Amino acid sequence: DVKVTQSSRYLVKRTGEKVFLECVQDMDHENMFWYRQDPGLGLRLIYFSYDVKMKEKGDIPEGYSVSREKKERFSLILESASTNQTSMYLCASSFVAKREQYFGPGTRLTVT
Amino acid sequence: DQQVKQNSPSLSVQEGRISILNCDYTNSMFDYFLWYKKYPAEGPTFLISISSIKDKNEDGRFTVFLNKSAKHLSLHIVPSQPGDSAVYFCAARHTNAGKSTFGDGTTLTVKP
Repeated sequence: DVKVTQSSRYLVKRTGEKVFLECVQDMDHENMFWYRQDPGLGLRLIYFSYDVKMKEKGDIPEGYSVSREKKERFSLILESASTNQTSMYLCASSFVAKREQYFGPGTRLTVT
Repeated sequence: DQQVKQNSPSLSVQEGRISILNCDYTNSMFDYFLWYKKYPAEGPTFLISISSIKDKNEDGRFTVFLNKSAKHLSLHIVPSQPGDSAVYFCAARHTNAGKSTFGDGTTLTVKP
């Protein structure tokens, strides 16, 4: 079974803090993704990576950066957290040749 | 400009009856469509997909229909079961792109 794990299920941070969200997958997938899910807005893509050290902006990259130093690990960084970044963050991965994505359980981030 | 739309935020059906979830898209370059299911406090899981060259794909109780001329797809669940109660996301993948665009989701409630 594919496993995508995220470092925390719940996280509370203060405004202005630097926040790291980690994601690890164990299926040698080339693609990895970060989404945020907000009520009524569905899943919105923040960034994705199709290879180590490669990244592309998604639909809402502002305020976020990413890092992919190893194939299995994809990190989402909030340089200076703000209250409007309070959300559910979901990581996903997939093979290039396949369309379906495998998701982690999500991290509920609250910025106060 | 929302390229994938699920116009019904919620749907309630009786156990044993058919559930029909709908999705509309605007981009003719989408070549693959997927449905994901999400339970609370879990990440989405892949349910069923369809290529743009087909008009129907069936997997057990789940069938997806694609009407390319109308840019419309639907997911049929027959018979519906209480365990099907979840949020269902429609997603579309652009030709040669690694990423998918998601709709806002429809919350299905199946009443015993």
